[in-house]
Amino acid sequence: DAGVTQSPTHLIKTRGQQVTLRCSPKSGHDTVSWYQQALGQGPQFIFQYYEEEERQRGNFPDRFSGHQFPNYSSELNVNALLLGDSALYLCASSLIQTKQYFGPGTRLTVT
Amino acid sequence: GQQVMQIPQYQHVQEGEDFTTYCNSSTTLSNIQWYKQRPGGHPVFLIQLVKSGEVKKQKRLTFQFGEAKKNSSLHITATQTTDVGTYFCAGNGGSSNTGKLIFGQGTTLQVKP
Repeated sequence: DAGVTQSPTHLIKTRGQQVTLRCSPKSGHDTVSWYQQALGQGPQFIFQYYEEEERQRGNFPDRFSGHQFPNYSSELNVNALLLGDSALYLCASSLIQTKQYFGPGTRLTVT
Repeated sequence: GQQVMQIPQYQHVQEGEDFTTYCNSSTTLSNIQWYKQRPGGHPVFLIQLVKSGEVKKQKRLTFQFGEAKKNSSLHITATQTTDVGTYFCAGNGGSSNTGKLIFGQGTTLQVKP
């Protein structure tokens, strides 16, 4: 039984570019949440998807957007990248309102 | 907005010593979760506390949820080098379990053999 998977593992982008990160939830899970973890900090909630809709959102600008597909996998898109967007992006899957299982993350570096 | 504070930020202990990290929320929580993150790794779920005053044990780890459901603690007895990592508490805010976790800054534990 595969756990949460994320791709790519690492990514280097230039300021102003756009990036798409991908997440496949644990088998049987229907909810995907995305978090941003800056170095030395705790993860910060970006948004949560359930039934292909954004159900909740944290304090992140509209440059951050997402999508959930019918197979429950999800994408996180970030437009107009800033240096401050450099972080580990974590995807967590769950059944709605239960404990969350985190994936290994995507390390994004913006230069 | 809701904030979750965690202290201390760092703790260095000698192997065999005890360790405690404390978590305080600015608002009442529906539940609190604890995660461990090893260096270079991702957060791994340890436990969830739901009831006021709840205490749960996992081997050498003891987790408590305060009576007011605004604070929590994790205590490790007789630390081992395998306990090294950063421990995060994460609160689920409000009166319902929304699934939106607000993480503390974490406590990084170093254990000297």
